[in-house]
Amino acid sequence: AQSVTQPDIHITVSEGASLELRCNYSYGATPYLFWYVQSPGQGLQLLLKYFSGDTLVQGIKGFEAEFKRSQSSFNLRKPSVHWSDAAEYFCAVAANQAGTALIFGKGTTLSVSS
Amino acid sequence: DAGVIQSPRHEVTEMGQEVTLRCKPISGHDYLFWYRQTMMRGLELLIYFNNNVPIDDSGMPEDRFSAKMPNASFSTLKIQPSEPRDSAVYFCASSPPGGQPQHFGDGTRLSIL
Repeated sequence: AQSVTQPDIHITVSEGASLELRCNYSYGATPYLFWYVQSPGQGLQLLLKYFSGDTLVQGIKGFEAEFKRSQSSFNLRKPSVHWSDAAEYFCAVAANQAGTALIFGKGTTLSVSS
Repeated sequence: DAGVIQSPRHEVTEMGQEVTLRCKPISGHDYLFWYRQTMMRGLELLIYFNNNVPIDDSGMPEDRFSAKMPNASFSTLKIQPSEPRDSAVYFCASSPPGGQPQHFGDGTRLSIL
């Protein structure tokens, strides 16, 4: 069965510092991978996705993620964090592209200190 | 473009009452998903539709929950009778032909007293 693990429940980063949020997945084949962000009281917004091809994917708001098959990981990175990046971040996996449900990790809450 | 629209945004009701949550997917999307978010269980799929037909309802907790999609632009999730453990944020998402990515509404925060 597919699963997603986000090992860090809460991370605090100084404004302007770099960020890496970890995500590990369990799936037999090449999965479809996603990062979503959720601000308080809001729905989930797609940051980026990986389906195939280049293992380094660029997303919105300056985020990027790297798919590493050997480590079953899809970590999210940002070189310089802004206070507005404080939110909850979810990694998700889908078995295929064709409309299957997403399996979400438990999320990582990002706090940004000044 | 309008995103996924959910109503109401907040619902507070007493145990035993019927609750109906509504969702309007993005025009042209043919997949619709209902998710529930709780502190204990995180985000979990309840049911999803393709072309208005339910495809997988294995996540629906019990018979008290039902979902319908009478047409391509409207879906409901109904809880009858409601219980305090149903308190959660319920999200609707839709996706285009081909399946991904999913676009989420802002959710309905449901509190059952």
